[in-house]
Amino acid sequence: DAGVIQSPRHEVTEMGQEVTLRCKPISGHNSLFWYRQTMMRGLELLIYFNNNVPIDDSGMPEDRFSAKMPNASFSTLKIQPSEPRDSAVYFCASGLQGELGDTQYFGPGTRLTVL
Amino acid sequence: AQSVTQLGSHVSVSEGALVLLRCNYSSSVPPYLFWYVQYPNQGLQLLLKYTTGATLVKGINGFEAEFKKSETSFHLTKPSAHMSDAAEYFCAVRKGYGGSQGNLIFGKGTKLSVKP
Repeated sequence: DAGVIQSPRHEVTEMGQEVTLRCKPISGHNSLFWYRQTMMRGLELLIYFNNNVPIDDSGMPEDRFSAKMPNASFSTLKIQPSEPRDSAVYFCASGLQGELGDTQYFGPGTRLTVL
Repeated sequence: AQSVTQLGSHVSVSEGALVLLRCNYSSSVPPYLFWYVQYPNQGLQLLLKYTTGATLVKGINGFEAEFKKSETSFHLTKPSAHMSDAAEYFCAVRKGYGGSQGNLIFGKGTKLSVKP
């Protein structure tokens, strides 16, 4: 299996621009998670989907952030407009809900820099 | 509410020495507990997990952890550190049971350095 695939791996953009991060979960998994990691705040859950339906989006910072999962094999995280404080590494993870102690499998992350 | 506390943001050991990374949890239900490792510029990788049954859990790369309910702890150990163990380690607890509780609560992480 290819594992969780994220693109792009690195993104540098200017303040005010729209940024779209992409994730392809592991085939057969039914849960998907978006995390943000910074030195200051550590690893934060942004949003969590189960069977393509958003279950918990309480971690989404504000209306500038949105996430979609149109089908079981693709998800996007969009930031519009982007701000310098959004600079972080964004991870996507997928898992099989219902597996005992369901493990999350992380992608390699997207390093976002907003200038 | 579930929470995880990792004691020590940085731990340094000599190669060949015992590795001990501490994790205490708070959970209102019997917990599912996890240890993940993150190598530089990579995503998190599962080391081991505790769900039910045997309280001593063995994981990859020679690591193990013991679930101690009385101490609400899930410390990670390895008898002999190797240079390749240098990484950041995260302890996590599952938020709860059921489909809406599937996310993990992560600790702040502990960076492990291994000296030659």
